[in-house]
Amino acid sequence: GQNIDQPTEMTATEGAIVQINCTYQTSGFNGLFWYQQHAGEAPTFLSYNVLDGLEEKGRFSSFLSRSKGYSYLLLKELQMKDSASYLCAVRDSNYQLIWGAGTKLIIKP
Amino acid sequence: ETGVTQTPRHLVMGMTNKKSLKCEQHLGHNAMYWYKQSAKKPLELMFVYSLEERVENNSVPSRFSPECPNSSHLFLHLHTLQPEDSALYLCASSPTSGGAVDTQYFGPGTRLTVL
Repeated sequence: GQNIDQPTEMTATEGAIVQINCTYQTSGFNGLFWYQQHAGEAPTFLSYNVLDGLEEKGRFSSFLSRSKGYSYLLLKELQMKDSASYLCAVRDSNYQLIWGAGTKLIIKP
Repeated sequence: ETGVTQTPRHLVMGMTNKKSLKCEQHLGHNAMYWYKQSAKKPLELMFVYSLEERVENNSVPSRFSPECPNSSHLFLHLHTLQPEDSALYLCASSPTSGGAVDTQYFGPGTRLTVL
Protein backbone atom coordinates (compact mmCIF):
# COMPACT_ATOMS: atom_id res chain seq x y z
CA GLY A 1 0.00 0.00 0.00
CA GLN A 2 0.90 3.63 -0.22
CA ASN A 3 2.03 5.44 2.88
CA ILE A 4 3.18 8.87 4.02
CA ASP A 5 4.77 9.20 7.46
CA GLN A 6 5.33 12.41 9.38
CA PRO A 7 5.57 13.13 13.10
CA THR A 8 2.26 13.79 14.81
CA GLU A 9 3.39 16.78 16.81
CA MET A 10 6.47 18.96 17.31
CA THR A 11 7.28 21.84 19.63
CA ALA A 12 9.75 24.63 18.95
CA THR A 13 10.69 28.03 20.33
CA GLU A 14 9.98 31.39 18.74
CA GLY A 15 12.98 32.57 16.73
CA ALA A 16 14.44 29.08 16.38
CA ILE A 17 14.61 26.65 13.44
CA VAL A 18 12.53 23.48 13.06
CA GLN A 19 12.67 20.65 10.54
CA ILE A 20 9.56 18.58 9.81
CA ASN A 21 10.30 15.27 8.14
CA CYS A 22 8.19 13.29 5.70
CA THR A 23 8.93 9.81 4.37
CA TYR A 24 6.89 8.14 1.69
CA GLN A 25 6.29 4.82 -0.03
CA THR A 26 4.15 5.30 -3.11
CA SER A 27 3.55 3.64 -6.44
CA GLY A 28 5.50 6.08 -8.55
CA PHE A 29 6.37 9.68 -7.87
CA ASN A 30 5.27 12.84 -9.62
CA GLY A 31 6.07 15.49 -7.06
CA LEU A 32 5.76 16.27 -3.36
CA PHE A 33 3.74 19.10 -1.82
CA TRP A 34 3.77 20.80 1.55
CA TYR A 35 0.70 22.61 2.84
CA GLN A 36 0.12 24.67 5.97
CA GLN A 37 -3.20 24.46 7.79
CA HIS A 38 -4.13 26.71 10.69
CA ALA A 39 -6.80 25.35 13.02
CA GLY A 40 -10.23 25.72 11.47
CA GLU A 41 -8.86 27.06 8.19
CA ALA A 42 -8.10 25.85 4.68
CA PRO A 43 -4.82 24.11 3.88
CA THR A 44 -2.66 26.58 1.96
CA PHE A 45 0.06 25.62 -0.51
CA LEU A 46 3.64 26.14 0.68
CA SER A 47 5.97 24.32 -1.69
CA TYR A 48 6.38 21.78 -4.47
CA ASN A 49 9.43 19.55 -5.11
CA VAL A 50 9.83 17.19 -8.03
CA LEU A 51 13.63 17.13 -8.40
CA ASP A 52 16.16 16.33 -5.69
CA GLY A 53 17.48 19.22 -3.72
CA LEU A 54 16.45 22.24 -1.75
CA GLU A 55 13.79 24.79 -2.70
CA GLU A 56 13.91 28.01 -0.70
CA LYS A 57 11.05 30.46 -0.24
CA GLY A 58 11.83 33.12 2.32
CA ARG A 59 11.80 31.60 5.81
CA PHE A 60 10.57 28.25 4.48
CA SER A 61 12.63 25.67 2.58
CA SER A 62 11.71 22.20 1.35
CA PHE A 63 14.13 19.39 0.54
CA LEU A 64 13.60 16.23 -1.48
CA SER A 65 15.55 13.00 -1.91
CA ARG A 66 13.71 10.70 -4.29
CA SER A 67 16.13 7.81 -3.81
CA LYS A 68 15.44 7.85 -0.06
CA GLY A 69 11.71 8.60 -0.32
CA TYR A 70 12.29 11.53 1.99
CA SER A 71 11.48 15.19 2.27
CA TYR A 72 11.68 17.83 4.96
CA LEU A 73 10.23 21.27 5.50
CA LEU A 74 12.58 23.69 7.22
CA LEU A 75 11.15 26.72 8.99
CA LYS A 76 13.57 29.43 10.10
CA GLU A 77 13.15 32.40 12.47
CA LEU A 78 9.98 30.87 13.83
CA GLN A 79 7.09 33.17 14.60
CA MET A 80 4.03 32.50 16.73
CA LYS A 81 1.88 32.59 13.60
CA ASP A 82 3.75 29.51 12.32
CA SER A 83 1.82 27.42 14.85
CA ALA A 84 -0.22 25.21 12.53
CA SER A 85 -0.40 21.74 11.04
CA TYR A 86 1.92 20.96 8.14
CA LEU A 87 0.70 18.43 5.59
CA CYS A 88 2.94 16.42 3.29
CA ALA A 89 1.42 14.98 0.10
CA VAL A 90 2.91 12.94 -2.74
CA ARG A 91 1.53 12.68 -6.26
CA ASP A 92 1.77 9.05 -7.38
CA SER A 93 2.10 7.51 -10.85
CA ASN A 94 -1.64 8.05 -11.46
CA TYR A 95 -1.33 11.71 -10.47
CA GLN A 96 -3.34 11.04 -7.32
CA LEU A 97 -2.34 12.93 -4.18
CA ILE A 98 -1.47 10.68 -1.23
CA TRP A 99 -1.63 12.63 2.03
CA GLY A 100 0.13 12.33 5.34
CA ALA A 101 -1.81 12.85 8.56
CA GLY A 102 -0.05 16.14 9.20
CA THR A 103 2.38 17.44 11.82
CA LYS A 104 1.02 19.81 14.43
CA LEU A 105 3.68 22.42 15.16
CA ILE A 106 3.46 24.25 18.48
CA ILE A 107 5.56 27.41 18.87
CA LYS A 108 6.39 28.56 22.39
CA PRO A 109 7.56 32.06 23.33
CA GLU B 1 -14.51 37.41 -4.08
CA THR B 2 -11.44 35.30 -4.76
CA GLY B 3 -10.24 31.76 -4.13
CA VAL B 4 -12.43 28.89 -3.03
CA THR B 5 -15.45 29.49 -0.82
CA GLN B 6 -17.61 27.00 1.05
CA THR B 7 -20.97 27.29 2.77
CA PRO B 8 -22.06 26.68 5.39
CA ARG B 9 -18.97 26.83 7.58
CA HIS B 10 -20.66 24.81 10.31
CA LEU B 11 -23.52 22.32 10.09
CA VAL B 12 -25.24 20.20 12.71
CA MET B 13 -27.72 17.63 11.44
CA GLY B 14 -29.63 14.62 12.61
CA MET B 15 -29.29 11.23 11.00
CA THR B 16 -32.59 11.59 9.16
CA ASN B 17 -31.95 15.07 7.75
CA LYS B 18 -31.03 16.02 4.20
CA LYS B 19 -28.61 18.88 3.70
CA SER B 20 -26.20 20.14 1.05
CA LEU B 21 -22.72 21.60 1.16
CA LYS B 22 -21.76 24.18 -1.43
CA CYS B 23 -18.41 25.05 -2.91
CA GLU B 24 -17.55 27.80 -5.37
CA GLN B 25 -14.19 28.56 -6.96
CA HIS B 26 -13.26 31.88 -8.54
CA LEU B 27 -9.93 30.75 -9.97
CA GLY B 28 -11.00 29.64 -13.44
CA HIS B 29 -10.00 26.05 -12.68
CA ASN B 30 -11.36 22.99 -14.47
CA ALA B 31 -11.11 20.41 -11.67
CA MET B 32 -12.84 20.31 -8.29
CA TYR B 33 -12.53 17.92 -5.37
CA TRP B 34 -14.30 16.89 -2.17
CA TYR B 35 -12.17 15.69 0.75
CA LYS B 36 -13.05 14.44 4.22
CA GLN B 37 -10.69 15.45 7.04
CA SER B 38 -10.95 13.65 10.37
CA ALA B 39 -8.78 14.40 13.38
CA LYS B 40 -5.26 13.01 13.15
CA LYS B 41 -6.01 11.20 9.89
CA PRO B 42 -4.83 11.92 6.33
CA LEU B 43 -7.13 13.76 4.00
CA GLU B 44 -9.49 11.30 2.33
CA LEU B 45 -10.32 12.03 -1.29
CA MET B 46 -14.03 11.49 -1.91
CA PHE B 47 -14.81 12.79 -5.40
CA VAL B 48 -13.04 14.43 -8.32
CA TYR B 49 -14.71 16.36 -11.11
CA SER B 50 -12.98 17.49 -14.28
CA LEU B 51 -14.89 19.78 -16.62
CA GLU B 52 -18.09 18.91 -14.76
CA GLU B 53 -17.65 15.16 -15.23
CA ARG B 54 -16.96 12.87 -12.31
CA VAL B 55 -13.59 11.20 -12.82
CA GLU B 56 -13.08 9.67 -9.40
CA ASN B 57 -15.29 8.16 -6.74
CA ASN B 58 -13.24 6.58 -3.99
CA SER B 59 -15.76 4.02 -2.69
CA VAL B 60 -17.78 6.67 -0.93
CA PRO B 61 -21.11 5.54 0.59
CA SER B 62 -24.18 6.48 -1.40
CA ARG B 63 -25.41 8.69 1.44
CA PHE B 64 -22.96 11.23 -0.04
CA SER B 65 -24.03 12.45 -3.48
CA PRO B 66 -21.96 15.01 -5.40
CA GLU B 67 -23.19 17.39 -8.05
CA CYS B 68 -21.17 19.64 -10.36
CA PRO B 69 -23.48 21.86 -12.46
CA ASN B 70 -20.57 23.85 -13.94
CA SER B 71 -16.82 24.17 -13.50
CA SER B 72 -17.18 26.83 -10.79
CA HIS B 73 -19.67 25.11 -8.49
CA LEU B 74 -19.65 21.85 -6.59
CA PHE B 75 -22.22 20.46 -4.19
CA LEU B 76 -22.23 17.56 -1.77
CA HIS B 77 -25.72 16.34 -0.94
CA LEU B 78 -26.04 14.56 2.37
CA HIS B 79 -28.79 12.20 3.56
CA THR B 80 -29.21 9.67 6.34
CA LEU B 81 -25.70 10.26 7.62
CA GLN B 82 -24.07 8.43 10.52
CA PRO B 83 -22.29 9.95 13.54
CA GLU B 84 -18.95 8.68 12.14
CA ASP B 85 -19.48 11.01 9.18
CA SER B 86 -18.81 13.96 11.47
CA ALA B 87 -15.68 15.64 10.10
CA LEU B 88 -14.36 18.67 8.25
CA TYR B 89 -15.36 18.54 4.58
CA LEU B 90 -12.96 20.38 2.33
CA CYS B 91 -13.45 21.46 -1.23
CA ALA B 92 -10.48 22.11 -3.51
CA SER B 93 -9.86 23.12 -7.11
CA SER B 94 -6.93 22.89 -9.50
CA PRO B 95 -6.28 23.96 -13.10
CA THR B 96 -6.72 20.37 -14.35
CA SER B 97 -7.13 17.01 -12.65
CA GLY B 98 -4.03 15.26 -13.92
CA GLY B 99 -1.47 17.88 -14.72
CA ALA B 100 2.11 17.33 -13.69
CA VAL B 101 2.36 20.56 -11.73
CA ASP B 102 -1.27 20.98 -10.72
CA THR B 103 -1.59 22.56 -7.30
CA GLN B 104 -4.83 22.20 -5.40
CA TYR B 105 -6.33 25.24 -3.68
CA PHE B 106 -8.63 24.61 -0.76
CA GLY B 107 -11.70 26.23 0.68
CA PRO B 108 -12.05 26.78 4.44
CA GLY B 109 -14.21 23.69 4.88
CA THR B 110 -17.55 22.84 6.44
CA ARG B 111 -17.41 21.45 9.97
CA LEU B 112 -20.14 18.80 9.99
CA THR B 113 -21.55 17.25 13.15
CA VAL B 114 -24.04 14.40 12.86
CA LEU B 115 -26.09 13.74 15.97
